[in-house]
Amino acid sequence: EIVLTQSPATLSLSPGERATLSCRASQSIRNSLAWYQQKPGQAPRLLIFDVSNRASGIPPRFSASGSGTDFTLTISSLEPEDFAVYYCQQRSNWPRALTFGGGTKVEIK
Amino acid sequence: QVQLQQWGAGLLKPSETLSLTCAVYGESLTGFYWSWIRQTPGRGLEWIGEVIHTGDANYRPSLKSRVTISVDTSKNQFSLSLNSVTAADTAVYYCARGRDELYYWGQGTLVTVSS
Repeated sequence: EIVLTQSPATLSLSPGERATLSCRASQSIRNSLAWYQQKPGQAPRLLIFDVSNRASGIPPRFSASGSGTDFTLTISSLEPEDFAVYYCQQRSNWPRALTFGGGTKVEIK
Repeated sequence: QVQLQQWGAGLLKPSETLSLTCAVYGESLTGFYWSWIRQTPGRGLEWIGEVIHTGDANYRPSLKSRVTISVDTSKNQFSLSLNSVTAADTAVYYCARGRDELYYWGQGTLVTVSS
């Protein structure tokens, strides 16, 4: 099973600052990597799919990149509503499974 | 607009069967994969399994012996059944649509297993 490790666990930043979140896979994965944002009491919300494609309605301050085992989500300038927990997720075919990283909490400094 | 609305019993005793249903509005079940995911503070987000409109399903290996995900195309709904629950199955359960990524999510249901 592929394991996704996110770092840091917590990121303390101020509004307007740049956030860089990391997701590392235990082995090389295809381009099937997604990022989600979750706020307390809510379901996760898809931000990015296929490594770097923004989902519908996601503002351009969210961008993502990566390949192989190392992937990054960047929020160029934090807005107050961006303080949340972010998860990466990948899909594997053999065996068929979706796995999630442990999450990075972006909190207000 | 696609909406997923889920429901089911929120409090179970050990050894009982967890049953949740997710209704899909604004889109047909046909042609998409439909998943169940659960979330706990300790284990984070865990994919439980998925089903497609034909009824073909895939499950998380560690849960495979206890889980069934089924689909009812006439009602545009899909369901989760998890038997022989224990306290370790206490979690918020979500339904969602997607194959490689999960685009639409239900609101979540807290299921507590306690004697």
